[in-house]
Amino acid sequence: GDSVTQMEGPVTLSEEAFLTINCTYTATGYPSLFWYVQYPGEGLQLLLKATKADDKGSNKGFEATYRKETTSFHLEKGSVQVSDSAVYFCALSDPGGGADGLTFGKGTHLIIQP
Amino acid sequence: DAGVIQSPRHEVTEMGQEVTLRCKPISGHNSLFWYRQTMMRGLELLIYFNNNVPIDDSGMPEDRFSAKMPNASFSTLKIQPSEPRDSAVYFCASSLLGGGTGELFFGEGSRLTVL
Repeated sequence: GDSVTQMEGPVTLSEEAFLTINCTYTATGYPSLFWYVQYPGEGLQLLLKATKADDKGSNKGFEATYRKETTSFHLEKGSVQVSDSAVYFCALSDPGGGADGLTFGKGTHLIIQP
Repeated sequence: DAGVIQSPRHEVTEMGQEVTLRCKPISGHNSLFWYRQTMMRGLELLIYFNNNVPIDDSGMPEDRFSAKMPNASFSTLKIQPSEPRDSAVYFCASSLLGGGTGELFFGEGSRLTVL
């Protein structure tokens, strides 16, 4: 079945550091890929998405490129801020796999220190 | 605009008691999802509805769990009887086009503690 694997956290960085959170996936069809962010005490919010190979999603300084050849969708940001501290979830949607809804990774807790 | 509204935000109960969690999706959305989040298992899809009809409940852990959507603006997730291993944060999410687009809008969650 479909699955998403993210790097284990927590990831601790200093403010203005470069961020990469790795995400790889397994899917039977042609999935759409997403990053969601969860701030403390809140629900998940869509951060960015890409619906086909080589698409780049971007939002709030974050970027991720859909790499079909490596089945990856790594999240990057050039200069992180304390306010970026949150849990980040990689997810896929694969209607061709016969299921609706999203399949999520386990989440990566990001901590940015001033 | 109001987002997805869940209640209660926090629930503490004793093993064996019935628990009912409630969700009001965003007006106009035609798909509704119930997820459970734990440290060990991450986010798990329990059940989802399209146009108030349950489509896939294969994620529901066992018969103690049941979900209903009597109309387009309300859904419940019930656990009877509750057990300590049911302790988790339960999220409701809604979508306009169906989960296939990936754009789910989540509520703030209901944190359940079963003693």
